[in-house]
Parts: sequence; structure tokens; C-alpha cells
Amino acid sequence: KAGVTQTPRYLIKTRGQQVTLSCSPISGHRSVSWYQQTPGQGLQFLFEYFSETQRNKGNFPGRFSGRQFSNSRSEMNVSTLELGDSALYLCASSGLQGGNYEQYFGPGTRLTVT
Amino acid sequence: GQQVMQIPQYQHVQEGEDFTTYCNSSTTLSNIQWYKQRPGGHPVFLIQLVKSGEVKKQKRLTFQFGEAKKNSSLHITATQTTDVGTYFCAGQGSGNTGKLIFGQGTTLQVKP
Repeated sequence: KAGVTQTPRYLIKTRGQQVTLSCSPISGHRSVSWYQQTPGQGLQFLFEYFSETQRNKGNFPGRFSGRQFSNSRSEMNVSTLELGDSALYLCASSGLQGGNYEQYFGPGTRLTVT
Repeated sequence: GQQVMQIPQYQHVQEGEDFTTYCNSSTTLSNIQWYKQRPGGHPVFLIQLVKSGEVKKQKRLTFQFGEAKKNSSLHITATQTTDVGTYFCAGQGSGNTGKLIFGQGTTLQVKP
């Protein structure tokens, strides 16, 4: 099976702009989770989508939003970018193994806000 | 909210020495997952532990899940330079969803 793909891999934006990141999960996986990774805060959960519905949400401001399409592909959007939004954004695709979810990460999108 | 603490933050070892990282959750977990991230890479799934007191081995790596399902450890025997990277534990609470709470990670450096 193909792994999780994320586009774009690298992005440079300026403060105040908005950005949309895309994630294609492993075929057959219906759950997609998004994480922000920074040196200071580590890996922080943003939100999870399952069957086009947001199932879980982390503690991020409303500027961070997402959606999932019927083919399980997901996008996340960050509006009014701030310098502190510079991070590696990781998408994880989850599939049930023995009744529990195992998450497989994509390569990430490295966002730099200047 | 649920927190997962991981220690130590850094570990430098000589090749051939053993290495252990510990993970503690503030709440009981339904399962715990371990990941390895190489410099410049993304987290790669290593294993999932589900049962209380579970022990699993992958070659030189031994994973344990505590009896109370609140703590876990990863032990590497006779480290090699290929073991270099950051090891994360990630806890899943009740509800069996795709939300994981990650520990801060332990970065392992191995001197040849």
C-alpha cells in the first residue's frame, strides 16, 4: 500500500496570509489526524477527522481549521498566519488493527512564516 | 487535560551500551504507541501496546506497558549508530479514536 502523502512539502508565507495543506491517507483508512510539531512544544494534536466529520479537536485557536472529503483526503487551513505558526505540520492516517487504531504519519509540510 | 511525560529528554551513550526511555501518563490509557523520528524525518510507528503488563520485543527493542496502564518504557539493548533519533511515546485515552497525546520525546545520540 502507498503511504500517507502530504503536499506541499515546504511552504513559505508571510504574516497575515492564509495557507492550505493537503493530506492523502493510506487507502482504506478513514481517520485522519493533524499534528503540529515545534522544537519548543513537541507534537501537539490539532484535530481528527473521521468519515468527513471532526471527531476530536485539540487546543488550538479557531484560525486552525480542517475538513475531510468523501475519499478521506483531508485539508487543513490556517488563516491570518502568525510567526509562531512556523512548524512541521504532520498528518497521520489511522487504521484499525486488532480493535485499536495505529497511526502512520506522512512526511509533513514544513511551514515557515516570515 | 491528559498529559504524557517522557524522560529523559536527551541521552548520549557509547555504541554497545543500553538505553531506556520512560513514559508516564496522568490518566489511564487504552493503549500506548511508540514512534521513532530520525533527524529531518517524520515519526515512524514502532509498536502498540494494549494489555496491562504487556511486554513486546522487536529484535534489540523491548517495550513494556505498566500494570495500571499509565506508564510504559522502551529499552534498547546494545545500541547501534542506526538507533540515533528521537523516540516518542503516545497515549490514547478512552474512546479509541485517532487522537494521540505525545510525550516530549527522548533524543538518543550514539557515539561510535
